[in-house]
Amino acid sequence: DAKTTQPNSMESNEEEPVHLPCNHSTISGTDYIHWYRQLPSQGPEYVIHGLTSNVNNRMASLAIAEDRKSSTLILHRATLRDAAVYYCILRDLRGSTLGRLYFGRGTQLTVWP
Amino acid sequence: GAVVSQHPSRVICKSGTSVKIECRSLDFQATTMFWYRQFPKQSLMLMATSNEGSKATYEQGVEKDKFLINHASLTLSTLTVTSAHPEDSSFYICSAVQDNYGYTFGSGTRLTVV
Repeated sequence: DAKTTQPNSMESNEEEPVHLPCNHSTISGTDYIHWYRQLPSQGPEYVIHGLTSNVNNRMASLAIAEDRKSSTLILHRATLRDAAVYYCILRDLRGSTLGRLYFGRGTQLTVWP
Repeated sequence: GAVVSQHPSRVICKSGTSVKIECRSLDFQATTMFWYRQFPKQSLMLMATSNEGSKATYEQGVEKDKFLINHASLTLSTLTVTSAHPEDSSFYICSAVQDNYGYTFGSGTRLTVV
């Protein structure tokens, strides 16, 4: 039921910026865009979320396209600890799904020292 | 920040027995919690939505009699895998949401059925 498309994998060098893309062309006006990441054998970790405007927090930035059909998670300086699977997910508070998160395959980020 | 504690982190059980997994929100009240299952090298699959004081809502294809969910308080939800079989071996993860904040996930439970 995932409504997002992400590349299967990406690579980066340590201390370089990383831009992780996500396409969500069927996004509705009430869908929030959420990003989570997961390390092996751990539960996912919240990264950032937004609705329309770009968002910044201590972990990352979220750039949302004007038409909201795509977004980009930006890690400003990748570290080895950022190596994880990153999931872009739409959260809808309306209707039968009522805020449930459905995970897609995500993007495996590899960070090279 | 919000913390969700999941216990046990790892459990091995014999085929045919039942296993209970606990999920607690430590510093906030969660009227809704979610249970996921993850097989190796696969993504998380939502199993059910746990609602405090009412019956859980199961996703299509998930057997509600096999995966019993109880959400008796605002801080505790439990998942019981009944009559476990080797194919139930998986990584089970719970999560909870606090209002407009992001979802917080437990650290997961690795279930191995032998």
